[in-house]
Amino acid sequence: DTAVSQTPKYLVTQMGNDKSIKCEQNLGHDTMYWYKQDSKKFLKIMFSYNNKELIINETVPNRFSPKSPDKAHLNLHINSLELGDSAVYFCASSSGLGRQGQFFGPGTRLTVL
Amino acid sequence: GESVGLHLPTLSVQEGDNSIINCAYSNSASDYFIWYKQESGKGPQFIIDIRSNMDKRQGQRVTVLLNKTVKHLSLQIAATQPGDSAVYFCAETSNSGYALNFGKGTSLLVTP
Repeated sequence: DTAVSQTPKYLVTQMGNDKSIKCEQNLGHDTMYWYKQDSKKFLKIMFSYNNKELIINETVPNRFSPKSPDKAHLNLHINSLELGDSAVYFCASSSGLGRQGQFFGPGTRLTVL
Repeated sequence: GESVGLHLPTLSVQEGDNSIINCAYSNSASDYFIWYKQESGKGPQFIIDIRSNMDKRQGQRVTVLLNKTVKHLSLQIAATQPGDSAVYFCAETSNSGYALNFGKGTSLLVTP
């Protein structure tokens, strides 16, 4: 059984388009995250949600809008895609805020042409 | 060694040898650290964690050492196997305490 799942695994799209990535966790965790991994493998936090409330927004452009319909889901919508948005996006979850192991999904490779 | 350009620091070891992967962290207030393993095409996988009130923690074939004086963390893997080949990241709690700050990553290559 997949603990943290993301769809789609690959996403190829044109500049200017709007796209969404979905994330679901079945671990019963109440905190979920989005991370971006660039071509140099550097992982950086984008957003954190705790009990469906936004906790962290790490100076991400407002073209990126996370939405948490319930504690098990955290979706990421991206408007007006740019070339620099190409990266691998990882969803993660943890039990509680901070100082807890975070469990990652398999990632979504976004390529903007 | 330090990363140059697009290349991650790489550690090459022979199967059966012990591996030591090092990490320097910057935030002296960090009180929680994690090691992750990332295989090609997959998400980071939790290996082991340690809190700042400890200086050593052992798991199955892995040991994490924490030296708060010099802000240094290491991951030791005993009897390294080909399946251990991956990129390894250390992570520390962010200033907010609500997320993790990841280090650059070290690529471990295990040769038969």
